Amino acid sequence: GAGVSQTPSNKVTEKGKYVELRCDPISGHTALYWYRQSLGQGPEFLIYFQGTGAADDSGLPNDRFFAVRPEGSVSTLKIQRTERGDSAVYLCASSFQRTGSSGKQFFGPGTRLTVL
Amino acid sequence: QKEVEQNSGPLSVPEGAIASLNCTYSDRGSQSFFWYRQYSGKSPELIMFIYSNGDKEDGRFTAQLNKASQYVSLLIRDSQPSDSATYLCAVIAMGASYGKLTFGQGTILTVHP
Repeated sequence: GAGVSQTPSNKVTEKGKYVELRCDPISGHTALYWYRQSLGQGPEFLIYFQGTGAADDSGLPNDRFFAVRPEGSVSTLKIQRTERGDSAVYLCASSFQRTGSSGKQFFGPGTRLTVL
Repeated sequence: QKEVEQNSGPLSVPEGAIASLNCTYSDRGSQSFFWYRQYSGKSPELIMFIYSNGDKEDGRFTAQLNKASQYVSLLIRDSQPSDSATYLCAVIAMGASYGKLTFGQGTILTVHP
């Protein structure tokens, strides 16, 4: 497809369960970002990948959150022992990796995570 | 103090009027500034970016940056009902890693016929 895709679009889970959220960036975009957005707030940065490596994971709230991008394309955000406070829309974005393009990010449709 | 602040609104303007959206940021060394539009239930979409002091125009949109006063604004001329959305201001702070956007909470804009 032409845009960033994310699966699933909705995920409902129970407190304490493990979830995986997938992101497929735009072809040719080497930079990939994860954000999460709570109702009425702007997106909050979680982690950024350059190729296969996590270049900045300073936004991950705690060690229950982990993300990988093993082949430099698709990324998976993993959340262990989910808590109700993890409920939010998780957004993935990608961009070209060149000067002046880093903020021009293309967002996927998001995954709405609900922890009961 | 939040790093990026916006009035959450809602801002209501009549069709055809100019909508003015404002944003202030706390990091004086911030270099890059972006406006994203987010329709209800959808993901953010980039509409403007600005790096230098002054105005930048693109169609009905004008972004204005004043680094001395640490504010960036977005003007929408000839507002249309289809412009009704949440407008997110985003900044790349000095020293932040490549592409790490810090967003404000967004301003809800309603354009009424």
